[in-house]
Amino acid sequence: QQQVKQSPQSLIVQKGGISIINCAYENTAFDYFPWYQQFPGKGPALLIAIRPDVSEKKEGRFTISFNKSAKQFSLHIMDSQPGDSATYFCAASRVKAAGNKLTFGGGTRVLVKP
Amino acid sequence: DTGVSQDPRHKITKRGQNVTFRCDPISEHNRLYWYRQTLGQGPEFLTYFQNEAQLEKSRLLSDRFSAERPKGSFSTLEIQRTEQGDSAMYLCASSRQNYEQYFGPGTRLTVT
Repeated sequence: QQQVKQSPQSLIVQKGGISIINCAYENTAFDYFPWYQQFPGKGPALLIAIRPDVSEKKEGRFTISFNKSAKQFSLHIMDSQPGDSATYFCAASRVKAAGNKLTFGGGTRVLVKP
Repeated sequence: DTGVSQDPRHKITKRGQNVTFRCDPISEHNRLYWYRQTLGQGPEFLTYFQNEAQLEKSRLLSDRFSAERPKGSFSTLEIQRTEQGDSAMYLCASSRQNYEQYFGPGTRLTVT
């Protein structure tokens, strides 16, 4: 049962462009939505996270947009740089009721061309 | 380095052998999680501890898998009678109660 669906599987963007990754979830009890960045051979690194009481959160070049009614959230990477080339994972969890265990999407491989 | 550490980073073993991995969480974190990640997929939850208590185990965690967290500090994950399907990256994460989870570098297991 895939509770968090992520798209696209991969994307190529030019340096300075905007990378957009989308996720959709099924479980309306989810109340915490983080994004992780993972480089080959490394563990996932927390980028940014949002709770459903806000519709947008921005940290530097990274922005999460959240649409509770559509059960969708997305990551925007502004001014993409070659160093942003990595795999990005969205995730969702129930913070209090289920130990905050994360359910991950399938990942998006981003390549930023110089 | 005050992040989550895992040991070993890589493990190659023959089918049928037992293996044990160790995770050292961030020192003030009382929650510790184990996830498994296969190539090209997102991590999947295996189990988690709050202090020394193991509070939940996924259906993915068969009887051949066991995890411990003695004294609520480091944790070990043991796989008995390894199978080729166990080949994956085993990730550990820690957090303070219901706050953000920080992952370690993972242990890459290859079963030949």
